[in-house]
Amino acid sequence: GQQVMQIPQYQHVQEGEDFTTYCNSSTTLSNIQWYKQRPGGHPVFLIQLVKSGEVKKQKRLTFQFGEAKKNSSLHITATQTTDVGTYFCAGLQAGTALIFGKGTTLSVSS
Amino acid sequence: NAGVTQTPKFRVLKTGQSMTLLCAQDMNHEYMYWYRQDPGMGLRLIHYSVGEGTTAKGEVPDGYNVSRLKKQNFLLGLESAAPSQTSVYFCASTDRVGVNEQFFGPGTRLTVL
Repeated sequence: GQQVMQIPQYQHVQEGEDFTTYCNSSTTLSNIQWYKQRPGGHPVFLIQLVKSGEVKKQKRLTFQFGEAKKNSSLHITATQTTDVGTYFCAGLQAGTALIFGKGTTLSVSS
Repeated sequence: NAGVTQTPKFRVLKTGQSMTLLCAQDMNHEYMYWYRQDPGMGLRLIHYSVGEGTTAKGEVPDGYNVSRLKKQNFLLGLESAAPSQTSVYFCASTDRVGVNEQFFGPGTRLTVL
């Protein structure tokens, strides 16, 4: 079945450094969603990308969808302690359920 | 709107005991999902439902059963709990899968001794 892989699994940065997580799918995705889970919390929707090559920004966060719609990335510029958490990408499988990557856990030291 | 709620928030079971986790949503969503989250494993889909009265298996369905008798409720049952089912369980719902966002409940932390 479809697999969604994320790298790295963990990333530690100093506050102010940039951070990027990558998501790769074994099949072409109709779209991709990104979620953030704060420590001890539940996943919360961040954004959805639909078009090939699409780039969307949310303040310091930049999301990209690959031209072949098989990969995506999330880039955070100048990380802050509030960015701490696990970031998940998710792709649609069989039109009925989202399949999530294993996530990238970001820690930030000040 | 309460969104997605889960009952209970915490539970400790002994091996072999049974229990039911309740998920309720007040957004009139058709699609509902049960995931389990284990360290380093991400969110794995257990079972899901595309509408009232329907259920389907996800990636890791063994040892679990589900029911969706009412549109707003999705129940996850463990008939004979095993230590391997120690996990955090999340319920989620959406009105259009893969199109609109998925809303998650706060989670149930289950420990099986």
